[in-house]
Amino acid sequence: DAKTTQPTSMDCAEGRAANLPCNHSTISGNEYVYWYRQIHSQGPQYIIHGLKNNETNEMASLIITEDRKSSTLILPHATLRDTAVYYCIVRAGLGGTPLVFGKGTRLSVIA
Amino acid sequence: GAVVSQHPSWVICKSGTSVKIECRSLDFQATTMFWYRQFPKQSLMLMATSNEGSKATYEQGVEKDKFLINHASLTLSTLTVTSAHPEDSSFYICSAGLAASLETQYFGPGTRLLVL
Repeated sequence: DAKTTQPTSMDCAEGRAANLPCNHSTISGNEYVYWYRQIHSQGPQYIIHGLKNNETNEMASLIITEDRKSSTLILPHATLRDTAVYYCIVRAGLGGTPLVFGKGTRLSVIA
Repeated sequence: GAVVSQHPSWVICKSGTSVKIECRSLDFQATTMFWYRQFPKQSLMLMATSNEGSKATYEQGVEKDKFLINHASLTLSTLTVTSAHPEDSSFYICSAGLAASLETQYFGPGTRLLVL
């Protein structure tokens, strides 16, 4: 799997948008970008994934650059419960391939 | 999203004993399950890939005779830590997915193992 680069940590004020960047400059044409988060002492939670188009769901938006070498996860109105480690992972789409986790970004939402 | 459960959520055992951890997909049939281990302040590390009805594939450095994986049905995979030692104390997490699907994987809540 292609590797990703994320900032180690970020802070965000409660109620503001949290924009989490991810670089994946060696991504292959058949690899998707996935975002998961892990709240302390819990299993990872799926957030969103995309191939090349921007995606939005009830949790977040995913913006993928046209060259697909980077992406941004946007939490539109961060709350204290969004404090977690956020992982950006690239993987060929089929479910039989494991997700390989990097170090992720520790997002702290501050009141 | 789909629900994956793990049992137990916590286990404390004496050194030398074996511990079995169950991973169940509650509302879908998982052709593939994955087992991860996470040490404090570290990321998840993939241990093995388990396909229903076949032998698990272990990652480099993971002892298959120590971490026994059984995936006997489309909804259940088990990880047995044999002759556990204090260095096996960790957070064990499973995930489940459909091999032929573009869907993502869903993770269980994790099992925290403490070996005394």
